[in-house]
Amino acid sequence: ETGVTQSPTHLIKTRGQQVTLRCSSQSGHNTVSWYQQALGQGPQFIFQYYREEENGRGNFPPRFSGLQFPNYSSELNVNALELDDSALYLCASSFTTGGPQDTGELFFGEGSRLTVL
Amino acid sequence: RKEVEQDPGPFNVPEGATVAFNCTYSNSASQSFFWYRQDCRKEPKLLMSVYSSGNEDGRFTAQLNRASQYISLLIRDSKLSDSATYLCVVELYNFNKFYFGSGTKLNVKP
Repeated sequence: ETGVTQSPTHLIKTRGQQVTLRCSSQSGHNTVSWYQQALGQGPQFIFQYYREEENGRGNFPPRFSGLQFPNYSSELNVNALELDDSALYLCASSFTTGGPQDTGELFFGEGSRLTVL
Repeated sequence: RKEVEQDPGPFNVPEGATVAFNCTYSNSASQSFFWYRQDCRKEPKLLMSVYSSGNEDGRFTAQLNRASQYISLLIRDSKLSDSATYLCVVELYNFNKFYFGSGTKLNVKP
């Protein structure tokens, strides 16, 4: 519906493992941001990618890393998984120019639900 | 201290009621403000932006008070379909960082 697709939708990992989550942004959008949403909480900003470079980061450790590709799709990688990493990971795409015409609207995918055992 | 604070609720109201949600933010450099709606087990979706002069969209009215760092959302004539979690969102100036509150849950009962 939003044109933002994420994969996989659900996955289960064990502590210490690594995970890669993928996101295809809405057509025409050049910016992708990632959020972690724990149960009963609001989405927490992880980082944002613009023109293939990290363009802002929240309070997440370096084991959370990402990439943005020339087609603006993106990956979120989490190394050395911990139990507290269990959450819904949301990708949001937007169109950013840096100017006042930016609406600030984020278009979210349905998320990848990660369970760490 | 959290960047954005909201009353988690739940707010349980009958159809037709008027309900108001409040939100406070901590960083005075915040630039833009929004309300998003999130249905159960779904992704957040933009409900409305919030402007300094206040703005209205049908039954929904949003207000911003920069001096008090306070944002509100008023829903009039509540419908069953308004049942959802309402997320207050603040964008940090010039950093394109969006900070979400924990959300306020609304249950509209018949």
